Amino acid sequence: EAAVTQSPRNKVTVTGGNVTLSCRQTNSHNYMYWYRQDTGHGLRLIHYSYGAGNLQIGDVPDGYKATRTTQEDFFLLLELASPSQTSLYFCASRDWGEDTQYFGPGTRLLVL
Amino acid sequence: GDSVTQTEGPVTVSESESLIINCTYSATSIAYPNLFWYVRYPGEGLQLLLKVITAGQKGSSRGFEATYNKETTSFHLQKASVQESDSAVYYCALGAHSNNRIFFGDGTQLVVKP
Repeated sequence: EAAVTQSPRNKVTVTGGNVTLSCRQTNSHNYMYWYRQDTGHGLRLIHYSYGAGNLQIGDVPDGYKATRTTQEDFFLLLELASPSQTSLYFCASRDWGEDTQYFGPGTRLLVL
Repeated sequence: GDSVTQTEGPVTVSESESLIINCTYSATSIAYPNLFWYVRYPGEGLQLLLKVITAGQKGSSRGFEATYNKETTSFHLQKASVQESDSAVYYCALGAHSNNRIFFGDGTQLVVKP
């Protein structure tokens, strides 16, 4: 089973702050995803990627950038954090030809 | 569009009672959707509970089961006797091999009282 790790697990920042959330998967899956989870909204897709250097726009991309530097690493960037971005963020990966996604443990972000 | 609607939580059930969490889907861009139930235990990420890729089939895992009903576009999750350790958030989802993504429902928090 794929191992997906996220760091940090918890983060507090202030409005206007710069935040980077990291995700690493160790099974060389092609696809990686960033979601946010908010009460009453379920998981909403922010960005995803199908390989190093690739980026696809999800459903709620505003205020977020992302970069896939290697097959293993996918970063989510909040350059001017706002309180509306307070959320629980999940990273996931999946292999080509598979439909099951494997999730990291999540990062809880609080923007004051 | 493609979407999933599920029972709004929290759902509170006493240990050893039966459970049903309703899930209905709309798949307008996916001809043959695959259906999933994921579970998220406290402090952990989502993990696959069960999936069914063929209409009319039933999936089961850890005492949970769900049947893919194409006629009613439903995929309800059931368990005959819940345990306190089943307390978690359950997500219904749909996707396809040919699609790059999965569409998740809002999640249903299950609280099992001892």
